[in-house]
Amino acid sequence: KAGVTQTPRYLIKTRGQQVTLSCSPISGHRSVSWYQQTPGQGLQFLFEYFSETQRNKGNFPGRFSGRQFSNSRSEMNVSTLELGDSALYLCASSFGRPGETQYFGPGTRLLVL
Amino acid sequence: GENVEQHPSTLSVQEGDSAVIKCTYSDSASNYFPWYKQELGKGPQLIIDIRSNVGEKKDQRIAVTLNKTAKHFSLHITETQPEDSAVYFCAAGSSGTYKYIFGTGTRLKVLA
Repeated sequence: KAGVTQTPRYLIKTRGQQVTLSCSPISGHRSVSWYQQTPGQGLQFLFEYFSETQRNKGNFPGRFSGRQFSNSRSEMNVSTLELGDSALYLCASSFGRPGETQYFGPGTRLLVL
Repeated sequence: GENVEQHPSTLSVQEGDSAVIKCTYSDSASNYFPWYKQELGKGPQLIIDIRSNVGEKKDQRIAVTLNKTAKHFSLHITETQPEDSAVYFCAAGSSGTYKYIFGTGTRLKVLA
């Protein structure tokens, strides 16, 4: 069974630009969660989608948004990039039941210059 | 707010020794506690998990213990090997919120 895949793996952008990251969950998984990982803050929860609906949201500004498609693939968008948005963005998938194991992808490393 | 504290932030052990990483959670509703291992350039990989109806779980050299009263849970790695060197994260999840709160990570170095 293929694992969680994320594209692209690396990305360089400049301040003010926007970026879209993609995540394909494990086959059969309907829940996709996004996390931001930085050396100082660890893994911070961004949001979770299940069946195309955002079920939960972390404490990030509105510049961070996401969506999920009918095939459970998810995208995350960050508009008006800031230097502080440089991070590893991870997505994790699961079947979506409460208290269930999440499986992480390799992440997209975003560098904002 | 919800919080998971993880200690220590770095840990160096000699090969063959044991390593213990401790986490404390704040949300009484938490009932699922996974541990992840993250190697350089990779996403976190689940290594073991425990649910609130169990006090201890073991898988070969890895064990996790849970003290619900004290809101503590710990990861124990015995007979450490160089390939155990990585960053380890604890997390706490509850059935009501569909999200997980992660600890800040422990960088484990196993010295050969």
